[in-house]
Amino acid sequence: GQQVMQIPQYQHVQEGEDFTTYCNSSTTLSNIQWYKQRPGGHPVFLIQLVKSGEVKKQKRLTFQFGEAKKNSSLHITATQTTDVGTYFCAGEATGANSKLTFGKGITLSVRP
Amino acid sequence: NAGVMQNPRHLVRRRGQEARLRCSPMKGHSHVYWYRQLPEEGLKFMVYLQKENIIDESGMPKERFSAEFPKEGPSILRIQQVVRGDSAAYFCASSPTVSDTQYFGPGTRLTVL
Repeated sequence: GQQVMQIPQYQHVQEGEDFTTYCNSSTTLSNIQWYKQRPGGHPVFLIQLVKSGEVKKQKRLTFQFGEAKKNSSLHITATQTTDVGTYFCAGEATGANSKLTFGKGITLSVRP
Repeated sequence: NAGVMQNPRHLVRRRGQEARLRCSPMKGHSHVYWYRQLPEEGLKFMVYLQKENIIDESGMPKERFSAEFPKEGPSILRIQQVVRGDSAAYFCASSPTVSDTQYFGPGTRLTVL
């Protein structure tokens, strides 16, 4: 079955540093979505990427969909303590009626 | 438009009891998904339902767990004869179509004593 991988599972950065994480799928995706879960909270939708090579920005967050539509990246510029949380990517395989498959997430901690 | 609602938010059960978790999807959403999240772990897909039908239950344990989404009323995740290993956060999500953005509820945190 389809697998979506996020490695590593944890990352620690100093406040102000940049942070990049990657998401890789075992199959070609029709779209990829990113979610953020704050400690003690629930996952919240951040963004969806659909086109090959697509780049979208949300303030200090930059999301990119790979040319082959099998991977994606999330880059955070100048991390802040409010960026703390777990970031999940979720991919939809090509084909009709495919549900999202979530990665295990990466938990980001930011040292003030 | 109210978001996805789950109740109870916290549930404590003793080993051997039954746990019933409820999820009311967002208005207009007919697709419901249940996920389990163990402490400091990712989201594990359990089951996907569309009104009155189970579409994909590949993530559901074979025994003690069941889910339904009746024509009227919330979706229910039922765990019979709970064990300590069932302690986790259970999230429900809904979407208008199968591949659309999923909107998550606040979760039910189940503790089995």
